[in-house]
Amino acid sequence: EAGVAQSPRYKIIEKRQSVAFWCNPISGHATLYWYQQILGQGPKLLIQFQNNGVVDDSQLPKDRFSAERLKGVDSTLKIQPAKLEDSAVYLCASSPRPGGHLHFGNGTRLTVT
Amino acid sequence: RKEVEQDPGPFNVPEGATVAFNCTYSNSASQSFFWYRQDCRKEPKLLMSVYSSGNEDGRFTAQLNRASQYISLLIRDSKLSDSATYLCVVNIPTPGLTGGGNKLTFGTGTQLKVEL
Repeated sequence: EAGVAQSPRYKIIEKRQSVAFWCNPISGHATLYWYQQILGQGPKLLIQFQNNGVVDDSQLPKDRFSAERLKGVDSTLKIQPAKLEDSAVYLCASSPRPGGHLHFGNGTRLTVT
Repeated sequence: RKEVEQDPGPFNVPEGATVAFNCTYSNSASQSFFWYRQDCRKEPKLLMSVYSSGNEDGRFTAQLNRASQYISLLIRDSKLSDSATYLCVVNIPTPGLTGGGNKLTFGTGTQLKVEL
């Protein structure tokens, strides 16, 4: 089966600019997650979707981050405006059901200068 | 207290050694647990689920201690290729969430370096 696809792999932007990441989960996986992983730390959940509905976005900095999964398949995560502390790897993961084990994409490495 | 805690290490061990990591969790209602492996600059990948009765996969053994609220990972006969970061993941019941009310929460990871 095809894995979770993410793009771009790398992105370098200046602070206050905007950036968007894209994720296409494994076919049939209803649950989609966006995680932020800062160097030396474990992944931190930003948002969890079940189909096209938001299950948990309690740790999403909503003043600058937004995410959508309009048709319940692929998803985009946007940061506007970016801050230096947003430099991290953004990981998308999918699962056939909530609480099931996660299949991760390769991640997008964001550097904010 | 953090929801999921791990000793960040690094654990430096010689090849062939046995090494064990623990991971503590704060929510006694947590029902499912996993160990993930993450290589440098790669995405995490599932190593094994942790069952109540404990489970073994080759050189790897995972155990759950509900009374003390921790899970463990034991690696026997360490190989150079086992060098990685091992992430503990706990499924934390979160009332009020739709779609099942579960939140998969990662620990910070424990770094293992196996040396010649």
